[in-house]
Order: sequence, then structure tokens, then C-alpha cells
Amino acid sequence: NAGVTQTPKFRILKIGQSMTLQCTQDMNHNYMYWYRQDPGMGLKLIYYSVGAGITDKGEVPNGYNVSRSTTEDFPLRLELAAPSQTSVYFCASSSHKRDPLHNEQFFGPGTRLTVL
Amino acid sequence: QKEVEQNSGPLSVPEGAIASLNCTYSDRVSQSFFWYRQYSGKSPELIMSIYSNGDKEDGRFTAQLNKASQYVSLLIRDSQPSDSATYLCAVGSGGSNYKLTFGKGTLLTVNP
Repeated sequence: NAGVTQTPKFRILKIGQSMTLQCTQDMNHNYMYWYRQDPGMGLKLIYYSVGAGITDKGEVPNGYNVSRSTTEDFPLRLELAAPSQTSVYFCASSSHKRDPLHNEQFFGPGTRLTVL
Repeated sequence: QKEVEQNSGPLSVPEGAIASLNCTYSDRVSQSFFWYRQYSGKSPELIMSIYSNGDKEDGRFTAQLNKASQYVSLLIRDSQPSDSATYLCAVGSGGSNYKLTFGKGTLLTVNP
């Protein structure tokens, strides 16, 4: 299993441009998440999904959109990029099929985004 | 606003010593607790999970949970330079549990 994969690894955007960060997991996990991490800070939840077709906002959703058409894929869309969106973005997934308490999240390698 | 606070660090210990990392949380109904290790430039990696009061040991790592005090800790015995990383405490968010709230992390340096 590849686990959680993310593309691209790095990206530089100009202000106002748009892009999609890709995330795929091959563990058949029903829950998927997008986080951003700024220097010296913990992880902030942007959006999450509890299954295909179901998404919900996290702590910092403004400026982002998501979709979940399949169990495996959970892309994050940035519209009209702003310098405040410069960050490292992590995708994660978890499964609650065995025990709802055992919600360990497994992370992808991250995408480092700079908006200039 | 659910909060997770970690000792701010950075924490520096000599090789072979015990490193102690602490975390407090505000959500009284949280039931799941995790420690992640994050090397510089890498993604968080799960190293311990704990769900019941008391201690849980896994090799050189021991997680301790006290729900009454809303406190969770991680002890690393016989610290090695390879343990040098940022350690993130994560707490399951109350009733939903599938959302985690992360602390800001504690940077640990183990000196040879």
C-alpha cells in the first residue's frame, strides 16, 4: 500500500491564481482531512469528509473548496490564491470501521505552497 | 473553542536521558489521545495512542493519561539523537472523535 499520496510536493503561485492539491489514499479509509501547518504552529483543519459525497468545514475553510466523489480521492481547491495561503498542506485519512475511538489519522507527505 | 496546550519548549536532553513531554486539553468529553512525531520538513507520524487512564508502554515510549486532570504526557526513555523532532499532541474532539485538535508541538533535541 502506498498509503496517502499528495501531489505536487512544491508549488509557487502568483496572487489570484488557482490550483488543486491532489490527495489519494489506498487504505479504503472512509474519513479524509485537509490541514495546513504554518511555521511554529500546529495543524489547522481546513475541510474534512466522512465519506464519498459528504464534506464539511473545519476550523479555517475560507479561500478553499473540496469535493469527494470517490472513497480514494479528496482534492483541495484554492481559488484566487493569497499570500496568507502560503503554508504546508497535509492530507490525512482514518478509518472508524473497527472502533469509533480508534481514529488514528495517517498523513501524506505534504505540499509546500508559496503564494507571491 | 477546544484547545490543546503543550509545554512550549524547546526541550533539550542528553543522550540516554528521559525526555518528558506534556499536554493539557480543554474538552472534558475527549476520549482519544495521540502523540505524533514530526521530523523537520516531513509529515506527522503516529507513535502512540491512548484511550484509558493510566500508562501505555511501547518500547522506549510511555504515554500517560489522566482524564480527571485533562492531562496526557509522553515519556521517551534512553533518548537517542534520532528522537530529535517536534512532538505533536492530538486530542479527539469530543463527541465526534473523528476530528483531532492538535497542539503547537514541542521541539525536542537530544544531544550526543
